[in-house]
Amino acid sequence: ELKVEQNPLFLSMQEGKNYTIYCNYSTTSDRLYWYRQDPGKSLESLFVLLSNGAVKQEGRLMASLDTKARLSTLHITAAVHDLSATYFCAVDPWTGNLIFGKGTKLSVKP
Amino acid sequence: DSGVTQTPKHLITATGQRVTLRCSPRSGDLSVYWYQQSLDQGLQFLIQYYNGEERAKGNILERFSAQQFPDLHSELNLSSLELGDSALYFCASSVEQREVHEQYFGPGTRLTVT
Repeated sequence: ELKVEQNPLFLSMQEGKNYTIYCNYSTTSDRLYWYRQDPGKSLESLFVLLSNGAVKQEGRLMASLDTKARLSTLHITAAVHDLSATYFCAVDPWTGNLIFGKGTKLSVKP
Repeated sequence: DSGVTQTPKHLITATGQRVTLRCSPRSGDLSVYWYQQSLDQGLQFLIQYYNGEERAKGNILERFSAQQFPDLHSELNLSSLELGDSALYFCASSVEQREVHEQYFGPGTRLTVT
């Protein structure tokens, strides 16, 4: 059974600081997705990572994928309050459907 | 706005009842996926349809069923509802079944079973 583990599950950051969220998965896959969810809202696609070594950046967020280590990271640079949300990684195990991690609830405080 | 629509937004019903959730995918998307999000189980894949045919099943209970119609909209039917079925139900769509495309999520239907 494919498992997707995120850590940490809760993250409280100060504005301006940097941090990394980790996503480990247990099976071979080179398709990994990051989503953002605001409370009570839907999931917003942030990054699609499709190959080993893929790196994508958008604003203060940067995501990378190491398929050999079965690890993806979401790096936050100089956090701002607007980044407060829950972040999910999801793996496509070649079946089309997504297996999600439990999510990382990020709170950025002044 | 992802382009995926879901109705209703909220649904409150009693145990033992049956409800139908509706989803319209983005224009041009052939695949529809249903997910359940609850506090204890997290986000779980339920079922996928591609161009009217069932293609993958996840952790979907026997009391639940779904279908995709010729116009590509999909319905998720939940019957003999239990308190534990209270959750946020998301529909997502993508262009093709096995191509690497992002899944775009609808706004969700929040189901409360009392």
